[in-house]
Amino acid sequence: DTGVSQNPRHKITKRGQNVTFRCDPISEHNRLYWYRQTLGQGPEFLTYFQNEAQLEKSRLLSDRFSAERPKGSFSTLEIQRTEQGDSAMYLCASRQDPGNTEAFFGQGTRLTVV
Amino acid sequence: AQSVTQPDIHITVSEGASLELRCNYSYGATPYLFWYVQSPGQGLQLLLKYFSGDTLVQGIKGFEAEFKRSQSSFNLRKPSVHWSDAAEYFCAVGAQYSGTYKYIFGTGTRLKVLA
Repeated sequence: DTGVSQNPRHKITKRGQNVTFRCDPISEHNRLYWYRQTLGQGPEFLTYFQNEAQLEKSRLLSDRFSAERPKGSFSTLEIQRTEQGDSAMYLCASRQDPGNTEAFFGQGTRLTVV
Repeated sequence: AQSVTQPDIHITVSEGASLELRCNYSYGATPYLFWYVQSPGQGLQLLLKYFSGDTLVQGIKGFEAEFKRSQSSFNLRKPSVHWSDAAEYFCAVGAQYSGTYKYIFGTGTRLKVLA
């Protein structure tokens, strides 16, 4: 098991374009989180999945953001009509419950909106 | 409101010197506590965690942290810093918030190590 994998690692897009990020959690981890980290800040919670069910979305997640986790395996985070304020590092984490209380993070996807 | 405070934004130490990074949390009960490290452009790596029991916990890379309930603190320490420890360090609380177990992070402390 190589840990949590995120793709792409970097994405540069023009304002108004749609982007999609993928997260492959540690296999058999049933909990999956998306966080956003801007420069000089700690990660901020965006959304949470228990298996395929999206159980919570932060108020940070506007209508332009959508996340899915079909079949409870990998997850995608899509941002529609990107804005410059969406520029950030998007981090995915997973854990197994019961079993872990700590989250295992991926390397992140760095999004730059120009 | 629940929060995690890391009062030091930047810390500079000389290689070989000791290190202490401060973390205070606000939560109604004793939460799960974590320290993560992040190198530039990378994700977060878990250094150590505290759930219960011995209040001094050992982690990877020679780090340790001490939980002090009376001070709501969970400070990270290392007796002798190496140049490779230069990175950003995040303290985090894991707890139930609005029915979901999730993590609240501090704003981080950036560590610079002088040769």
